[in-house]
Amino acid sequence: AQKVTQAQTEISVVEKEDVTLDCVYETRDTTYYLFWYKQPPSGELVFLIRRNSFDEQNEISGRYSWNFQKSTSSFNFTITASQVVDSAVYFCALSEAMDSNYQLIWGAGTKLIIKP
Amino acid sequence: DAGVIQSPRHEVTEMGQEVTLRCKPISGHDYLFWYRQTMMRGLELLIYFNNNVPIDDSGMPEDRFSAKMPNASFSTLKIQPSEPRDSAVYFCASSLYRGEGSNQPQHFGDGTRLSIL
Repeated sequence: AQKVTQAQTEISVVEKEDVTLDCVYETRDTTYYLFWYKQPPSGELVFLIRRNSFDEQNEISGRYSWNFQKSTSSFNFTITASQVVDSAVYFCALSEAMDSNYQLIWGAGTKLIIKP
Repeated sequence: DAGVIQSPRHEVTEMGQEVTLRCKPISGHDYLFWYRQTMMRGLELLIYFNNNVPIDDSGMPEDRFSAKMPNASFSTLKIQPSEPRDSAVYFCASSLYRGEGSNQPQHFGDGTRLSIL
């Protein structure tokens, strides 16, 4: 069965610290996609990244980076030099290529609090 | 480019009233999804459409909920009659089909915060 686990319910750090949000997934499909979304206090859901199961290269976008490791079924998200504006709930999600419905399996989310 | 547009942003109404939520997907997107988000249950997929056709409505909680997509640029989610337990944030999302198994990201609207008194 498909499942996404974000074990960290809430993380609080001081501004400028680095922080890593964990995401562990379960799937039987060999082709799948992983996503991260950000939900700031204003409530909207913002797409951050999509990664397919055949691409294990780490991705960096400014202060954001993602570490995909199939061996541990993890797709972790690191924010370097965090800022107050990074405060949000971050969701990890899984979509299986064999699922013709293209549905997203969501993690429970990690609430990130960046203190000034 | 315009993103997914939802209206209204906020809705407060009394129990028993009919509520209609509206969504305009991103132009050219083939899929449209309706979600509900609550603290207790997180994000729940209610229904989704492919090329305006409802594909899976197994997430619709009750017959009080209905959704339509009369054309590629408009969808509605209706609750009639509304109940306090329907209070939640309702999101609409759309995505583009780029071939079998390509699973493109879903892009979300800002949501409608619904409060049923």
